[in-house]
Amino acid sequence: GENVEQHPSTLSVQEGDSAVIKCTYSDSASNYFPWYKQELGKRPQLIIDIRSNVGEKKDQRIAVTLNKTAKHFSLHITETQPEDSAVYFCAASGGTSYGKLTFGQGTILTVHP
Amino acid sequence: SQTIHQWPATLVQPVGSPLSLECTVEGTSNPNLYWYRQAAGRGLQLLFYSVGIGQISSEVPQNLSASRPQDRQFILSSKKLLLSDSGFYLCAWSVLAGEGEQYFGPGTRLTVT
Repeated sequence: GENVEQHPSTLSVQEGDSAVIKCTYSDSASNYFPWYKQELGKRPQLIIDIRSNVGEKKDQRIAVTLNKTAKHFSLHITETQPEDSAVYFCAASGGTSYGKLTFGQGTILTVHP
Repeated sequence: SQTIHQWPATLVQPVGSPLSLECTVEGTSNPNLYWYRQAAGRGLQLLFYSVGIGQISSEVPQNLSASRPQDRQFILSSKKLLLSDSGFYLCAWSVLAGEGEQYFGPGTRLTVT
């Protein structure tokens, strides 16, 4: 089945800096890659996703890039704000894990004012 | 719009007691439904998923079972809880298997004492 590795496990930045979180996946047939943000005690919220026919997608201060050849994808947050502080999860699905998301272990992002 | 409900929100149960967690989805038909467990605030583990009434797939052997008695109802159960069953239980739904966004319910925080 699919295996997703996420790095770093913790990330600390100053307000206004950029933050980058990277994930690699193992199943070359995977074709859907969402990112979730989870605040303390809350449910994960889908913030952006990308499909295998697209290399990059942006939504205001967040962007996701996908390199299918290398089997990795990344989340980029620009102009970080304290409210961006949360745990971020990447995931992958499709291929042999059809219909199921396999999640990375999460990145704790802390944005210092 | 679609809404997903879970109850109870929190639960404290003694070891050896039974468990029943419920999840319902409104505003959509024939959703794919998922149960996840999250321990220690990190890492989402898929426990069960269902593509239709009475159709349940189990991801990991464990002390839990799932049922889908109605199209938009998903139930997680146990006959006898273990300490290791403590965690944050999240239900999720999606419209399309394989490439569909998954949306999470508010979760149930279970503490087994």
